[in-house]
Amino acid sequence: GENVEQHPSTLSVQEGDSAVIKCTYSDSASNYFPWYKQELGKGPQLIIDIRSNVGEKKDQRIAVTLNKTAKHFSLHITETQPEDSAVYFCAASTRGGSQGNLIFGKGTKLSVKP
Amino acid sequence: DAGITQSPRHKVTETGTPVTLRCHQTENHRYMYWYRQDPGHGLRLIHYSYGVKDTDKGEVSDGYSVSRSKTEDFLLTLESATSSQTSVYFCAISEGAVEQYFGPGTRLTVT
Repeated sequence: GENVEQHPSTLSVQEGDSAVIKCTYSDSASNYFPWYKQELGKGPQLIIDIRSNVGEKKDQRIAVTLNKTAKHFSLHITETQPEDSAVYFCAASTRGGSQGNLIFGKGTKLSVKP
Repeated sequence: DAGITQSPRHKVTETGTPVTLRCHQTENHRYMYWYRQDPGHGLRLIHYSYGVKDTDKGEVSDGYSVSRSKTEDFLLTLESATSSQTSVYFCAISEGAVEQYFGPGTRLTVT
């Protein structure tokens, strides 16, 4: 089955710097890769996702890149702000198979210092 | 939280007692999921539903059962709670089995 590895487990940056979180997956059939942000005491919130037919996607200060050959994808946050502090999870799934079940990485705790 | 509520939000129960958690959605989405979240393990799928009365097992289904008698409600039951089931439980919904939206979670403690 699919396995998703996420690095780093913790990341600390200064406000205004960029942050990058990387994930690798094992199943070459996976074709959908979402990223979730989880604030303390809340449920995960979908912030951006990418399909396997796209190499990069941007939404304001966040972007995701996908390298299908190497089976890895990354989340990039530019101009970080204190409100970006949270735990971020990557996930992978095979659209149309197993009813879209997501396999999650173990998370990255991002701290943005003012 | 995308029109999803979970109840209760917190529960403490004793080992061996049955527990039922409820997920309610107002989005009329077809797919519903139950996950558990534990430190060092991220989110793991317990069971999911792809329609009324249609359910299937996920990665960590042992000790759990589910039921879905209405589109809007998905119940997770621990038949006989154990300490290893102490966790935070999240419900998620999806219209087309792709984007999933999560509820606020239920923190369950089994003593």
